[in-house]
Amino acid sequence: EAGVAQSPRYKIIEKRQSVAFWCNPISGHATLYWYQQILGQGPKLLIQFQNNGVVDDSQLPKDRFSAERLKGVDSTLKIQPAKLEDSAVYLCASRPLTGKNGYTFGSGTRLTVV
Amino acid sequence: GQQLNQSPQSMFIQEGEDVSMNCTSSSIFNTWLWYKQEPGEGPVLLIALYKAGELTSNGRLTAQFGITRKDSFLNISASIPSDVGIYFCAGSNYGGATNKLIFGTGTLLAVQP
Repeated sequence: EAGVAQSPRYKIIEKRQSVAFWCNPISGHATLYWYQQILGQGPKLLIQFQNNGVVDDSQLPKDRFSAERLKGVDSTLKIQPAKLEDSAVYLCASRPLTGKNGYTFGSGTRLTVV
Repeated sequence: GQQLNQSPQSMFIQEGEDVSMNCTSSSIFNTWLWYKQEPGEGPVLLIALYKAGELTSNGRLTAQFGITRKDSFLNISASIPSDVGIYFCAGSNYGGATNKLIFGTGTLLAVQP
């Protein structure tokens, strides 16, 4: 079974620029999550999709962050404009609709804002 | 957002030693999970706990779901160099609206051969 694919692996941008991350979940996984992991901390949920609908985006800074999951498969997370404090690893995870845990994380995208 | 309190923050041990770490929360969960994260990778699930008081093992790893449902413990016996990494606890309420994971602050484990 192929894992959760994320790209790019690394990105360096200047503050106020825009950036986008892509995630391809495990085939058949209805639920997709984006987590932000700042250096030295545990991951924190940004947004959760079930199929192509948003379930929880309460922690997403909506003035600069946006995410979509068209057709309920791939997802993109965008930051516009980026701030220095957005430097972090952005992790995508997916899980099937049923089953108690079943979370699988991707390797993440490391973003550095300079 | 909420983060769980995990201790110790870091541990530097000799190969063969046993390791204990714990995680506490101000709110209750019905699921506790323990993950390991290595550099440049996402977290990988080690052990999942679903019932208060439950004790579960996975090889040299043993984890317990606290009876108050607000804490959990992870023990690693006879550590080896490949145990190096950051260990995270995570709480979840399976069956709730989101099943989202609330992560701990992490415990960095270094093992000297």
